[in-house]
Amino acid sequence: EVVLTQSPATLSLSPGERATLSCRASQNVDNYLAWYQQKPGQAPRLLIFHTSSRATGIPARFSGSGSGADFTLTISSLEPEDFAVYYCGWPRTFGQGTKLDIK
Amino acid sequence: EVQLVESGGALVQPGGSLRLSCVTSGFNFRNYGMNWVRQAPGKGLEWVAWISASDIPSDGDIDYTDSVKGRFTIAKDIAQNSLSLQMNSLRDDDTAVYYCARDFCTSLSCRYDFWGQGTQVTVSS
Repeated sequence: EVVLTQSPATLSLSPGERATLSCRASQNVDNYLAWYQQKPGQAPRLLIFHTSSRATGIPARFSGSGSGADFTLTISSLEPEDFAVYYCGWPRTFGQGTKLDIK
Repeated sequence: EVQLVESGGALVQPGGSLRLSCVTSGFNFRNYGMNWVRQAPGKGLEWVAWISASDIPSDGDIDYTDSVKGRFTIAKDIAQNSLSLQMNSLRDDDTAVYYCARDFCTSLSCRYDFWGQGTQVTVSS
């Protein structure tokens, strides 16, 4: 069973800053890693799949990287609408989430 | 446009039953695996159940998280383009928003590319 561990639990940044979110898997997950964004009261939305491919309509400021068991979601310059909770995901499992807060 | 619309959530007593539905449109439903994912109040996402794209799912085409095995049943109605989740012997810790999510899997990746808006299930006496 794959376990995904995200860090930090909360990240407080200002608009315009760069955000780096981490996801570590308990074993090699072969780049099947995806990232989802969830805003309050909304369903999750797919951002990134296959480690680094952006989903349809996702802005270029979102990028994913990593391999094996260590993965990163980077938001190059935060926009006000980016403050949300982010989950990494592998088939049938999710990390516990990172809350991106406005500083 | 791909759409997933859940319904059936309600307030139910512990030990009770509930059936959730997810009606889909905008894609060829029979060609996709589907999932139920839930989110307890103030908590993260928890995958609940998966059913494959197979027209006649066998044991290997259905899976559940351990906490719902033997209590929940996932099913697809190809004719109605709908997904269901029959939930029996409900417990307090089943309280959550339940989302249906489409599987999109290739040889290189697997992700949940479309989600419904969710339906609230509350288990309480």
